Amino acid sequence: EAQVTQNPRYLITVTGKKLTVTCSQNMNHEYMSWYRQDPGLGLRQIYYSMNVEVTDKGDVPEGYKVSRKEKRNFPLILESPSPNQTSLYFCASRGQGNEQFFGPGTRLTVL
Amino acid sequence: EDQVTQSPEALRLQEGESSSLNCSYTVSGLRGLFWYRQDPGKGPEFLFTLYSAGEEKEKERLKATLTKKESFLHITAPKPEDSATYLCAVQGVFNKFYFGSGTKLNVKP
Repeated sequence: EAQVTQNPRYLITVTGKKLTVTCSQNMNHEYMSWYRQDPGLGLRQIYYSMNVEVTDKGDVPEGYKVSRKEKRNFPLILESPSPNQTSLYFCASRGQGNEQFFGPGTRLTVL
Repeated sequence: EDQVTQSPEALRLQEGESSSLNCSYTVSGLRGLFWYRQDPGKGPEFLFTLYSAGEEKEKERLKATLTKKESFLHITAPKPEDSATYLCAVQGVFNKFYFGSGTKLNVKP
């Protein structure tokens, strides 16, 4: 089954404790992206990647890092999380058809 | 500034009562406009892509249209299972995507 998976689905952590949210897709897509979704603000793009070792900033990259060492994986790293990074995070991948396929989301709470 | 605005924020319809959702955008170098459906607790699900003014796409009770500055999602004779949040997104230059904040649709039987 074609899908985008994210782990963990739920995470509660404390300020400053480094964390990684994993994202994996099995559709051989070149383009992958991370978004955060906040009430009233919609989905905002954090980082995207056009291919292995090629990443670029979206609209809200501050406080986040990404890496793309393999085509299928695109982890999101928060080196020192802060409460304003509490949000719902979505990973997505896009094939030649341009439509994005989204993962199920990761709900992150930073205390 | 690149921006996507959706209206209304929320819409309540009776089953069978047709209506339209609006998405207006100010994005440089439009590469495509996308509509998604999002159910509570889930990721957005792709519905349509539109590329140029005048283009239309249909799927069951949904029809999406595009002009130079806005897109409409028309819902004909909606059913309760059409209740969801509908998101509009625009692809600009450099493969960046801009999303509106969505229209939450509630269809009552």
